[in-house]
Amino acid sequence: QVQLVQSGAEVKKPGASVKVSCKASAYSFTAYYLHWVRQTPGQGLEWMGRINPNSGGTKYAQKFQGRVTMTRDTSISTAYMELSRVTSDDTAVYYCARGEKNYGDYPRGFDFWGQGTLVTVPS
Amino acid sequence: SYEWTQAPSVSVSPGQTARITCSGDAFPNQYSFWYQQKPGQAPVQVIYMDSERPSGIPGRFSGSTSGTTVTLTISGVQAEDEADYYCHLSDSSGNNEVFGGGTKLTVL
Repeated sequence: QVQLVQSGAEVKKPGASVKVSCKASAYSFTAYYLHWVRQTPGQGLEWMGRINPNSGGTKYAQKFQGRVTMTRDTSISTAYMELSRVTSDDTAVYYCARGEKNYGDYPRGFDFWGQGTLVTVPS
Repeated sequence: SYEWTQAPSVSVSPGQTARITCSGDAFPNQYSFWYQQKPGQAPVQVIYMDSERPSGIPGRFSGSTSGTTVTLTISGVQAEDEADYYCHLSDSSGNNEVFGGGTKLTVL
C-alpha cells in the first residue's frame, strides 16, 4: 500500500526556517511528482509547489517564490519542503501528496496524501 | 492566476442527493478532481479526471464538468459522507493547480 509518512509537528519563532520531510514507500519514488499543499487553521487547501524526484526539478506557486525550497533524497525515498522567514501567517498543516507520473500518465490528481505536519509560528 | 469558488455549505437529509459545485475561469487542458476531508484527517480523493472514481470509493460519488462549472454529486447520501469537500483544477503542467475554498456537507 502506497504510504507517505511526514515528520512531526514543529514550533518555530518568527523569521526562522522550517523543514518538513515526506518519506514514500510501496511505489517507485522517482516516477511520480511530489506536491506540497498547506491548510491554514479553519481554512481551505493551498498548493505550494511540486518536485520531480527523478530530476530534482521544481515548480513553485508564485506566492511562495523566494521563500520555499523543495528537495529530495532518492537514496531514502524522501522529499523535503523548507519554508524560510516564517510568520504567524504560516501557521498551518502542511501535506505532501503524490501526483502524476513524470512521463506519459493520465491526469490522476493527488491520489495519496501524507498525514500532515502541523507547523506553529506564535505571533 | 485562476480562482474557483464553492458554496461554503450544503445540507441534505440521509438518502437525498447532494450536489456540490465549483465555478471559475477555465484554463486549457484543465481536469477536475474532488477530495473529501473529515476533521483531523488528510484529504482523500473521491473523483479524478472529471468523472472517474478511485478504487474503493463508493458508486454514489460521481463527477461532471461543463467547462466553467464542475460538480460533485453524492446520490443517496449517508451520515458518513458528512465532511468538507474540495474541488481541484489542474492542467498537470505544474503551472495551474487551483483549489476551491471547500464546501461543508452536513447530513441532517
